[in-house]
Amino acid sequence: NAGVTQTPKFQVLKTGQSMTLQCAQDMNHEYMSWYRQDPGMGLRLIHYSVGAGITDQGEVPNGYNVSRSTTEDFPLRLLSAAPSQTSVYFCASSYSGVWETQYFGPGTRLLVL
Amino acid sequence: AQSVAQPEDQVNVAEGNPLTVKCTYSVSGNPYLFWYVQYPNRGLQFLLKYITGDNLVKGSYGFEAEFNKSQTSFHLKKPSALVSDSALYFCAVRDLEGLYNFNKFYFGSGTKLNVKP
Repeated sequence: NAGVTQTPKFQVLKTGQSMTLQCAQDMNHEYMSWYRQDPGMGLRLIHYSVGAGITDQGEVPNGYNVSRSTTEDFPLRLLSAAPSQTSVYFCASSYSGVWETQYFGPGTRLLVL
Repeated sequence: AQSVAQPEDQVNVAEGNPLTVKCTYSVSGNPYLFWYVQYPNRGLQFLLKYITGDNLVKGSYGFEAEFNKSQTSFHLKKPSALVSDSALYFCAVRDLEGLYNFNKFYFGSGTKLNVKP
């Protein structure tokens, strides 16, 4: 199992550019989610999905879009990048039980100039 | 709302000494508590979790955590610290929330553990 994979590892964008952060998992997990990590703030939930075709907003959804057409993939789209979106982004997946462990990808470091 | 608090931004300990990283929680129902570790430039790795049962939970790399319901705490412990334990540690609680009753994780702000030789 590759687990949770994310691409790219690092990206530099100019303000106003768009891009898609890729996330894939091979564990057949129902739940997938996107977090951003900023210093001193822990991890904050951006969007999540409970299955193919079903997504919802988290704590900080503005400026981001998601879709989930397959169980395996959960891409995060930045529509028009802003410097405030400079952060480290983590994708995670898990089975649906509340006791289930969440597995994290290695992260994408994004710098918006 | 559910939440966890990690009162210490940083913990310093000498190698070979016991270590404790503190976490307190606030939940309305049964707490489902987790500890994760993050090494530099890496994703979060699962250490251990409390669901129910024994108050002392054993996890990976020799770590354990003590669940204390009366004090609403879930402190991470290790009897003898290693330099390689130096990392960022996150406490998290999971609960149902949102339109689809998503099992959302609430993360603490993280505690940086420094183990000095």
